[in-house]
Amino acid sequence: QQQVKQSPQSLIVQKGGISIINCAYENTAFDYFPWYQQFPGKGPALLIAIRPDVSEKKEGRFTISFNKSAKQFSLHIMDSQPGDSATYFCAASSTSGTYKYIFGTGTRLKVLA
Amino acid sequence: ETGVTQSPTHLIKTRGQQVTLRCSSQSGHNTVSWYQQALGQGPQFIFQYYREEENGRGNFPPRFSGLQFPNYSSELNVNALELDDSALYLCASRKGIGYTFGSGTRLTVV
Repeated sequence: QQQVKQSPQSLIVQKGGISIINCAYENTAFDYFPWYQQFPGKGPALLIAIRPDVSEKKEGRFTISFNKSAKQFSLHIMDSQPGDSATYFCAASSTSGTYKYIFGTGTRLKVLA
Repeated sequence: ETGVTQSPTHLIKTRGQQVTLRCSSQSGHNTVSWYQQALGQGPQFIFQYYREEENGRGNFPPRFSGLQFPNYSSELNVNALELDDSALYLCASRKGIGYTFGSGTRLTVV
C-alpha cells in the first residue's frame, strides 16, 4: 500500500515533442505529490507539486494532471528540450505524521536534438 | 539561502567499517530526512529528524543512526558496513511543505 508505481522506465522524445510520465499510488492518505528531476551525480530537484484538491497544475512547460478517483497522476513536459534529458521521479507523501516521501522507480528521459 | 550541502561527495569504505556522512541544511529548516538511493532506483526513506529528535524511520536496521544539531546540520552514521550499503545517500531538509535535497554522498563499500 506504500508503493508508488511509475512508468515508463525510459522514454525517448524528439525535440519539441511532449513527454508524458505516469504514476499510480494506493494509499489514500497521500495528499502531496511532487515531481523531482535528477541529473547524473546530482540530488533530486523539485520541479512541480500538486495537492489532491486540484486536478491540474501548470508551471511553464511542466504540467501535473491528477486523477484522485483513479489514484493516478502524470507529468507532461511540453516542447521538450535536450536540456530536459534527466531522470524524473514522482513521489507521494502524507502531510500528517512523518511526511516521508515514497518515490517511484524513476523514468530516464532522453530528448533528441 | 545556501541550499543543502553534503560532505564528502564520494567515499570508499571497507566492509565492517563505520562511516559518518554530514549535511548542512538551509537556515530555518528544522526538519531533515535522509534517503538511500541505490543505482537505478528511487530514493528510499531512512529516517527523519525534527528539532533534534528522530520522529520517523523507514525499513533500515539500527546500525543506521543519525543526529541533528541546533545549527541545522545533521549526520548519518552507518556501522558494520555491508556491500549492499553502497549507494548515494541524500539529505533533504524542509521548513514548509517541500523538501530540498542535497547532491548526495556516493558511498562505495568494498
